[in-house]
Amino acid sequence: TQLLEQSPQFLSIQEGENLTVYCNSSSVFSSLQWYRQEPGEGPVLLVTVVTGGEVKKLKRLTFQFGDARKDSSLHITAAQPGDTGLYLCAGVSGGSYIPTFGRGTSLIVHP
Amino acid sequence: GAGVSQSPSNKVTEKGKDVELRCDPISGHTALYWYRQSLGQGLEFLIYFQGNSAPDKSGLPSDRFSAERTGGSVSTLTIQRTQQEDSAVYLCASSPAETQYFGPGTRLLVL
Repeated sequence: TQLLEQSPQFLSIQEGENLTVYCNSSSVFSSLQWYRQEPGEGPVLLVTVVTGGEVKKLKRLTFQFGDARKDSSLHITAAQPGDTGLYLCAGVSGGSYIPTFGRGTSLIVHP
Repeated sequence: GAGVSQSPSNKVTEKGKDVELRCDPISGHTALYWYRQSLGQGLEFLIYFQGNSAPDKSGLPSDRFSAERTGGSVSTLTIQRTQQEDSAVYLCASSPAETQYFGPGTRLLVL
């Protein structure tokens, strides 16, 4: 069974702070996705990374895929209350259409 | 709206009763997924439909769970003889290719 470990599990910070969320596995993934889920809603895709070492930026969010395609990180610069939510990573192995999800990092940004 | 819709949004039932959860995917999306999300857990894959192919039922936790997709569109997840451990949020997602678009989920509480 492929496992994706996310850390930290919970994060409570003040507006303006920076943070990094990690997603680690012993398995190699052909692609890895990051989602944000707000209370009462389904997850919304933020980004997909497919190449080892790839870095993608989405405004204040920076996503990195590890060289070996086993891990990924999400860095948020100058967090805002609107960033509050559950961040989930999901990995897909080659040939599969079924992603494996991590348990998520619950982020609260206080104004 | 053009998004994935699910009904009911909330369902409270008594242990031992059967429940049906409905998912209306985005028109034209050939793939449809069902997931279960329990408190503090990631998304647990249940079942995957792709076009007219036989569904991948490998994630269904027991024979009390079943799902069907009629006409390649609407899907129904049925849980028979519900148990308290079935309490969770049931999420549906549809996809045209790799990106999944999630519905808001059905919150099931089994008393």
